Amino acid sequence: AQKITQTQPGMFVQEKEAVTLDCTYDTSDQSYGLFWYKQPSSGEMIFLIYQGSYDEQNATEGRYSLNFQKARKSANLVISASQLGDSAMYFCAMREGPGNTPLVFGKGTRLSVIA
Amino acid sequence: NAGVTQTPKFRVLKTGQSMTLLCAQDMNHEYMYWYRQDPGMGLRLIHYSVGEGTTAKGEVPDGYNVSRLKKQNFLLGLESAAPSQTSVYFCASSYSDKGHGYTFGSGTRLTVV
Repeated sequence: AQKITQTQPGMFVQEKEAVTLDCTYDTSDQSYGLFWYKQPSSGEMIFLIYQGSYDEQNATEGRYSLNFQKARKSANLVISASQLGDSAMYFCAMREGPGNTPLVFGKGTRLSVIA
Repeated sequence: NAGVTQTPKFRVLKTGQSMTLLCAQDMNHEYMYWYRQDPGMGLRLIHYSVGEGTTAKGEVPDGYNVSRLKKQNFLLGLESAAPSQTSVYFCASSYSDKGHGYTFGSGTRLTVV
């Protein structure tokens, strides 16, 4: 079974609109971390946001927020006020356990922002 | 600039040739990782290291070897390259700061013909 599932291979959003990128995860650990990374066409991996399994509030970083629903095992990324520069691949990733175990990545969602 | 440096950035190999990809970090991170990225597959872990002199297998280790003789360097070797190893290879490093995940290198695009 996949640890991280991103069901949207590609998405389009109008500039200035909000968009939600879906991510569900599978783990039996109580302690884990969830991450989102952005990969623009230039190829680098850019860290966006982190949510710990024990964090009570949803993480936010500027225009990015993480909609964490623990019971549903979902960690959706919400981008508000989309910009053309948000067009990129977005990867959800998980670290299981309290230690520094390797991240497991989903297959990604390609977001295209339309003017 | 502090960060993770990968060399080379591009390489074309013939089937059966060998090569080594170098990853160097100057952040004193304990943990280092090698991933490969293929279209539609996301990033898959090849090998990783939790400290100098230690290595461990990831999800897709076959056909690769690694070494971490110095804390700042993590080498990925292909002993006999195959077309299936055509991919983009990313190195990353991390420490125990749970909030920031990894620092990635800029990637190595490898083509095996």
